[in-house]
Amino acid sequence: EVQLVESGGGLVQPGGSLGLSCAASGFTFSYYWMHWVRQAPGEGLVWVSRISSDGSSTSYADSVKGRFTISRDNAKNTLYLRMKSLRAEDTAVYYCARDRGIDGFDVWGQGTMVTVSS
Amino acid sequence: IQLTQSPSFLSASVGDRVTITCRASQGISSYLAWYQQNPGKAPKLLIYGASTLQSGVPSRFSGSESGTEFTLTISSLQPEDFATYYCQQLNTYPLTFGGGTKVEIK
Repeated sequence: EVQLVESGGGLVQPGGSLGLSCAASGFTFSYYWMHWVRQAPGEGLVWVSRISSDGSSTSYADSVKGRFTISRDNAKNTLYLRMKSLRAEDTAVYYCARDRGIDGFDVWGQGTMVTVSS
Repeated sequence: IQLTQSPSFLSASVGDRVTITCRASQGISSYLAWYQQNPGKAPKLLIYGASTLQSGVPSRFSGSESGTEFTLTISSLQPEDFATYYCQQLNTYPLTFGGGTKVEIK
């Protein structure tokens, strides 16, 4: 079964750091670009970051640039998001998603909740 | 690129024909996808390339485009279709989503 499973969410104080993981299974992870998308409580979907299949290319939303770092370990079939200098507005469910190029995101994880609060 | 979805809220009955519109602030070719999201769940890809149905998605869902205006149509609303729908453009980074359309039972 093709699957993405996120982990690492939790409660963190403003200014703190947190790392998310996304474990992939059921497909050849190293073939695909991957993304992180977030959704604040009661709000819509917001694209956060993407990484190329070999990890050599990344891009970020302006709102997280310089604070978040996306990476991957193809040997471990795992995608990561390292978040630092967290703000209250980073509070959201974070989803990882598989990229099918111009054909959209066809596989999503179940999401992991990140709460930034003192 | 901004995507403006309308309406943001829609009340409809089982069997109704429902149309949701997504307008792009500039040209995005046909690089538009539609997703369905149920409460507490991850989004699900319905349509890509503006009009191509994702495998396994019922044929009552369809997509079309006219310039920078894109439309998602549900031909006959079913109970499981009451959800929130989002459009997404894949033409230019940063990738963007529309604000969403919540379809509720009338």
